[in-house]
Amino acid sequence: AQSVAQPEDQVNVAEGNPLTVKCTYSVSGNPYLFWYVQYPNRGLQFLLKYITGDNLVKGSYGFEAEFNKSQTSFHLKKPSALVSDSALYFCAVIPLGGGYQKVTFGTGTKLQVIP
Amino acid sequence: KAGVTQTPRYLIKTRGQQVTLSCSPISGHRSVSWYQQTPGQGLQFLFEYFSETQRNKGNFPGRFSGRQFSNSRSEMNVSTLELGDSALYLCASSLGKQGSTEAFFGQGTRLTVV
Repeated sequence: AQSVAQPEDQVNVAEGNPLTVKCTYSVSGNPYLFWYVQYPNRGLQFLLKYITGDNLVKGSYGFEAEFNKSQTSFHLKKPSALVSDSALYFCAVIPLGGGYQKVTFGTGTKLQVIP
Repeated sequence: KAGVTQTPRYLIKTRGQQVTLSCSPISGHRSVSWYQQTPGQGLQFLFEYFSETQRNKGNFPGRFSGRQFSNSRSEMNVSTLELGDSALYLCASSLGKQGSTEAFFGQGTRLTVV
């Protein structure tokens, strides 16, 4: 069975500092990996995804994530945090070849950017 | 291209009542998935409908049911509401095909059971 772990319930970072939100996964074979962001009382918004190719994926709003197969990780990063980045972030995985109906989400990490 | 529309945005119901939530997917998308989101349990998968058939089901009691219409719009029904059913209910729309990796979420329906 596939699974996604987001080990930190909350991450606090000062505005202007780099941020990292961690995600590790367990799935048979190569995965499709995703990051979503959720603002209060809103749905999930797509940030970026890894399907194949370059391990460094660039997404919306200046976010990027690095796929590390040996560590089975897909950490979300941003060089300089903004207060407006404060939100809930979800990592998700789909097994290779599977459609979105097979997605598994992590438990979410709350990012708090401090002015 | 219109996004995923969930109605209503907010609902307040009393225990024991039933409720129906609606999700209109993106045009051309045939798969609709439903999720329950609570602070304690995170995002939990309820079920997925594809071409009017329930294709996948999560671990929820039978009080939670759904259906999908020929135009791919989906409804979710919760009967005999309990306080613990208070949550944000999200739906996601996707093509539903093997290898399809794009999905779009609605803004959710906030259900409060009192």
